[in-house]
Amino acid sequence: AQSVAQPEDQVNVAEGNPLTVKCTYSVSGNPYLFWYVQYPNRGLQFLLKYITGDNLVKGSYGFEAEFNKSQTSFHLKKPSALVSDSALYFCAVRDEVAGGFKTIFGAGTRLFVKA
Amino acid sequence: DVKVTQSSRYLVKRTGEKVFLECVQDMDHENMFWYRQDPGLGLRLIYFSYDVKMKEKGDIPEGYSVSREKKERFSLILESASTNQTSMYLCASSLAVHRGRNQPQHFGDGTRLSIL
Repeated sequence: AQSVAQPEDQVNVAEGNPLTVKCTYSVSGNPYLFWYVQYPNRGLQFLLKYITGDNLVKGSYGFEAEFNKSQTSFHLKKPSALVSDSALYFCAVRDEVAGGFKTIFGAGTRLFVKA
Repeated sequence: DVKVTQSSRYLVKRTGEKVFLECVQDMDHENMFWYRQDPGLGLRLIYFSYDVKMKEKGDIPEGYSVSREKKERFSLILESASTNQTSMYLCASSLAVHRGRNQPQHFGDGTRLSIL
């Protein structure tokens, strides 16, 4: 079965510094990986997805993700953090089941960006 | 832009009541999902549906049922509400796998349900 792990409950970074939110995955077959962001009292918003063959994927709001097959990682990055990036971030993997599929979400990492 | 609308942002109900949570999407998506989100537990899948009148159990279906009579609407039903069902409920939709294997899910803003 597919799984994702987000090893950090919380990441703290100063505004203007680069940020990384970590995600590792376990899949059988091709990985279908995603990052989502959740702001307070809102649903999840799609940020970016892995595209086969691209080791660096660009997404919304200046975020990008680095895919590393040998380390089975899909870390979310941003070169320069903003206070408004403070939110809850979820890594996710697609899991195909009979008749369709479901998405498995990591536990989430809370990002705090300090001014 | 895809819009997933959940009928209530906040809802307060009493133990034993039958509770209906409604979700509507406007992008002709085949797949629809219901999750609950609790602190420290992340998102847990309750039920999903990949076609009208079709439903599949997720990871925590006990105490819940769903209805999908029309493609755009997916309802979550708490048959007899209990206090341990107090939670944030999130609805999501996506295109079918045959329309692209890495289609993301689109979420509503959630319903914060309190059972007293």
